[in-house]
Amino acid sequence: AQSVTQLGSHVSVSEGALVLLRCNYSSSVPPYLFWYVQYPNQGLQLLLKYTTGATLVKGINGFEAEFKKSETSFHLTKPSAHMSDAAEYFCAVTRAGLYNNNDMRFGAGTRLTVKP
Amino acid sequence: EAQVTQNPRYLITVTGKKLTVTCSQNMNHEYMSWYRQDPGLGLRQIYYSMNVEVTDKGDVPEGYKVSRKEKRNFPLILESPSPNQTSLYFCASSLSTGYGNTEAFFGQGTRLTVV
Repeated sequence: AQSVTQLGSHVSVSEGALVLLRCNYSSSVPPYLFWYVQYPNQGLQLLLKYTTGATLVKGINGFEAEFKKSETSFHLTKPSAHMSDAAEYFCAVTRAGLYNNNDMRFGAGTRLTVKP
Repeated sequence: EAQVTQNPRYLITVTGKKLTVTCSQNMNHEYMSWYRQDPGLGLRQIYYSMNVEVTDKGDVPEGYKVSRKEKRNFPLILESPSPNQTSLYFCASSLSTGYGNTEAFFGQGTRLTVV
């Protein structure tokens, strides 16, 4: 079974600073990896995903993440934080393969605070 | 507009009073699931459905029931709610391909309080 660990339940950065949210996964088969963002009182919205191909994936709002198989990581970055980036971020993993998979697993979430 | 719709958004109920949270999607997705979100625990899957009349337990199914009589609807039923089911609930759907599920689309959430 897959699992996800997000390092740091809270991350605080200054506006304009680099954002780095860490995600490590465990999967016995090739994974599909996702980052979701949750703004207050809203559902989860997909930021970006890795399925196959290029390991550096770009998402919405200037975010990107790099799949590193050797490190089993999928860290989320943004070069310059904006106040509107304040939200909770979830990393998720599901299985790729020639069968229906049904067990997307989420990390515990990282709450990002952006200071003016 | 492609969306997953949950109702109600907010619900306060008393222990033992049966309730249903509805979920509907308009994307013709095969796969639907229910999650609960609790602080520090992220999202945990309650039940999922791979297609009509096909449902199975997720990680935390105790105290919940589901049904999938139509492709678009996947209601969550609490037969006898208890205070430990106070949580934020999300319904999600995704397109299931032969190479795994695509990304999940989420509803807006239902905040349930059981007193």
